[in-house]
Amino acid sequence: ETGVTQSPTHLIKTRGQQVTLRCSSQSGHNTVSWYQQALGQGPQFIFQYYREEENGRGNFPPRFSGLQFPNYSSELNVNALELDDSALYLCASSSLEEHEAFFGQGTRLTVV
Amino acid sequence: RKEVEQDPGPFNVPEGATVAFNCTYSNSASQSFFWYRQDCRKEPKLLMSVYSSGNEDGRFTAQLNRASQYISLLIRDSKLSDSATYLCVVGPGTGNQFYFGTGTSLTVIP
Repeated sequence: ETGVTQSPTHLIKTRGQQVTLRCSSQSGHNTVSWYQQALGQGPQFIFQYYREEENGRGNFPPRFSGLQFPNYSSELNVNALELDDSALYLCASSSLEEHEAFFGQGTRLTVV
Repeated sequence: RKEVEQDPGPFNVPEGATVAFNCTYSNSASQSFFWYRQDCRKEPKLLMSVYSSGNEDGRFTAQLNRASQYISLLIRDSKLSDSATYLCVVGPGTGNQFYFGTGTSLTVIP
């Protein structure tokens, strides 16, 4: 087990709704990255948080936003959900000093 | 052009076979390289880091060729439990985003 936990594990939302996904990072890690993995694709980088600040962002629209808390846990918020947002959302915990990232089990979001 | 490209497979091999996966990356400034394994409907798990000198972990050998921007993974004596998707991952160095390939699907057949 990596010590990275995500909640919820599964979620069904309707188009236009908003969703919040949560991630608790591994002890000792101060960096959390979020990825979206569509079916049959590799994970795509959404953004990264380091010490409560956004530290890089991928090619995702502003309706994807995030937060990191003082204990380094993190949230991913998605507004105005679209059908194409249906995917596995992965949180990866790491430290800037180390190269490896460790993933939570993911949240599978279905937008109907 | 994609940052990381992999042959998606699928690779179907008999138990005991040797199988090799390849991956190319586009950013010559990339500094960190990994292979992750992902089982169906599960999260990716780190299999091994890849170093310029090459590295081996049991039946698994990873190689990096910076000049050709090419990464490989060799699995010897394949086991049924090796069946999974193998993701090639490239990063800029410390921190920030990793780029994932689409993954190569491996099925080891009894």
